[in-house]
Amino acid sequence: DTEVTQTPKHLVMGMTNKKSLKCEQHMGHRAMYWYKQKAKKPPELMFVYSYEKLSINESVPSRFSPECPNSSLLNLHLHALQPEDSALYLCASSQGPAMNTEAFFGQGTRLTVV
Amino acid sequence: SQQGEEDPQALSIQEGENATMNCSYKTSINNLQWYRQNSGRGLVHLILIRSNEREKHSGRLRVTLDTSKKSSSLLITASRAADTASYFCATDGGALIFGKGTTLSVSS
Repeated sequence: DTEVTQTPKHLVMGMTNKKSLKCEQHMGHRAMYWYKQKAKKPPELMFVYSYEKLSINESVPSRFSPECPNSSLLNLHLHALQPEDSALYLCASSQGPAMNTEAFFGQGTRLTVV
Repeated sequence: SQQGEEDPQALSIQEGENATMNCSYKTSINNLQWYRQNSGRGLVHLILIRSNEREKHSGRLRVTLDTSKKSSSLLITASRAADTASYFCATDGGALIFGKGTTLSVSS
């Protein structure tokens, strides 16, 4: 199984809502990542988890809250988002540090904030 | 933060032609990777080239790396309509840091 599964595929939420994005992999990878991608732009790194501990936070606003409950799961909790947060949110995983090995990406969650 | 800059930003070719995309980066690297993204979907790893390698092949893909010029190129030979996608180079930055990408359109 070389899949990274993200749910939901699409999400529309109001600015006062609380929602969560979920990511799951069963490849035994110990590094997991959240990226944000706006239209016609490259993915931008948000968070890195290594061995279930947050190792990188790219100065992401606190309305985005990551969580890694176990080595297979990665969540991104969303609260009080702004319309400019609308984007494709991508989860990825890798066996080791991503710069040294192939990273596997999920198909993303298309988020619209209204 | 972005490290890589691809050019061209967009490339349109006919099936059967070769497509070359270039990537320049700013800081020293241990390796460089290329990824492909079909419209609005996840990224797929294409190839990884280490800093001590100059060229690497995978099927119809050929990647070169020139660390003295801090640049890499991706060549797709005998392109197909199915190669239509965005292509990104990615370098070290604690995690993969992607360049701006090249959008390739292959028409039949």
